[in-house]
Amino acid sequence: AQKITQTQPGMFVQEKEAVTLDCTYDTSDQSYGLFWYKQPSSGEMIFLIYQGSYDEQNATEGRYSLNFQKARKSANLVISASQLGDSAMYFCAVTTTQGGSEKLVFGKGTKLTVNP
Amino acid sequence: DSGVTQTPKHLITATGQRVTLRCSPRSGDLSVYWYQQSLDQGLQFLIQYYNGEERAKGNILERFSAQQFPDLHSELNLSSLELGDSALYFCASSEGTANNEKLFFGSGTQLSVL
Repeated sequence: AQKITQTQPGMFVQEKEAVTLDCTYDTSDQSYGLFWYKQPSSGEMIFLIYQGSYDEQNATEGRYSLNFQKARKSANLVISASQLGDSAMYFCAVTTTQGGSEKLVFGKGTKLTVNP
Repeated sequence: DSGVTQTPKHLITATGQRVTLRCSPRSGDLSVYWYQQSLDQGLQFLIQYYNGEERAKGNILERFSAQQFPDLHSELNLSSLELGDSALYFCASSEGTANNEKLFFGSGTQLSVL
């Protein structure tokens, strides 16, 4: 079974600085997808970024980038130029194949607080 | 707005009761997923449907059941409710079932069992 580890239950960063949120995963699948989602205090889950296991380039989406190290099974999220609105829970997720279909398994999350 | 609609937003009920949570996926999406989010367990995958058929099953209790109808909307039925079933229940949808498809989440149904 897939296991997703987010070792930082809480992180603090100053506005306009960059922050890295850690994620490691354990999978036996050869092909898989890595995702990051944001959950603000309002509760909705917002897709941020995706990385395929065979993608050679690290994914980027605006201020978000994914530091993908396949051999280490690591998929850290980097947020550049933090904004107050970035304060939220951040979840790392990995697709896993079960019985020929895929499902998304989530880590426990990291709570990011951006200070002014 | 993700395009995924969940109703109701809040539900308060008593132990032993049965409730139904409803989800309408984004237009064109054939897959529907149900997740349960609680403080102690985090986000737990419950079940997935694709075009009306069950595709994958997670940690879904026998007291829970789901289905996807021909118009692709889905319902999650929770019966014999216990205090521990109190949680935020998310529905998500995607176009298909490939592992590179992002899931679009609804705003969730907050269930409180008293």
